[in-house]
Amino acid sequence: DQQVKQNSPSLSVQEGRISILNCDYTNSMFDYFLWYKKYPAEGPTFLISISSIKDKNEDGRFTVFLNKSAKHLSLHIVPSQPGDSAVYFCAARGSNYKLTFGKGTLLTVNP
Amino acid sequence: DTAVSQTPKYLVTQMGNDKSIKCEQNLGHDTMYWYKQDSKKFLKIMFSYNNKELIINETVPNRFSPKSPDKAHLNLHINSLELGDSAVYFCASSQDPGRLIYGYTFGSGTRLTVV
Repeated sequence: DQQVKQNSPSLSVQEGRISILNCDYTNSMFDYFLWYKKYPAEGPTFLISISSIKDKNEDGRFTVFLNKSAKHLSLHIVPSQPGDSAVYFCAARGSNYKLTFGKGTLLTVNP
Repeated sequence: DTAVSQTPKYLVTQMGNDKSIKCEQNLGHDTMYWYKQDSKKFLKIMFSYNNKELIINETVPNRFSPKSPDKAHLNLHINSLELGDSAVYFCASSQDPGRLIYGYTFGSGTRLTVV
C-alpha cells in the first residue's frame, strides 16, 4: 500500500531550466511533507519541508508547492544545475511522527 | 565531523549468521531511527527511539533487535540472517520528532548482503 507515490522514476532537464518533481499521497492525515536528495552511496539529505497548513515554501532555488485538495505536492528547482543531479525522495509525516517515503525520482541535469 | 555515522559501510555475510550495525550521532538529537531501503528502493522505517525509549516498532521480524545504550547511539542487531535481509540500512536522527522543519539527518548507510 503505497501512501506516497512518485510516479516518475526519472527526469532529465537542461542546465538553467526548471526541474519539477512530483509527488502524490493518499493519506489525508499527513501533516508535514519533506523533500530529500540522495547521491549514490550516501544517505538522504534534507532539502525543504512544508506544513500541511501552507501551500508554498521557498528556500533559495527550491520551492515546494502543496495542493491538499489534490493530495499533490511538487518540488521546483530553478535554475537547475548539474550538481542537482541525484535521486529526490518525497516524504510525509503521519501518526506517531512516522515518515513515509516515496520511491524516488532520479533527476539528471545536463550541462 | 560526521554527524550520523554508521559502521560498517559494507557487510557481506552468510545466511544464518548474527551481525550488528552500529550508529552514532554527535548532533545532540533526542530521537534516532533505523530505515531499510530494499531492492525496490523504498525507504521504510523499522524502529525509532526517543531518549533511549522505543517509540516506533514497525512490523519487523523479531530477529531484528535495536539497542540504544544512550541517546547518541542506536545499534541494530540481526539474528539468523536470511537472504531477504539484504538491503541498505540507514540510521537517522532528529532533534524532536514533532518538529520536522529541519528533517532528519541520515547516515551514509550500511549495505548488507546475505549470501
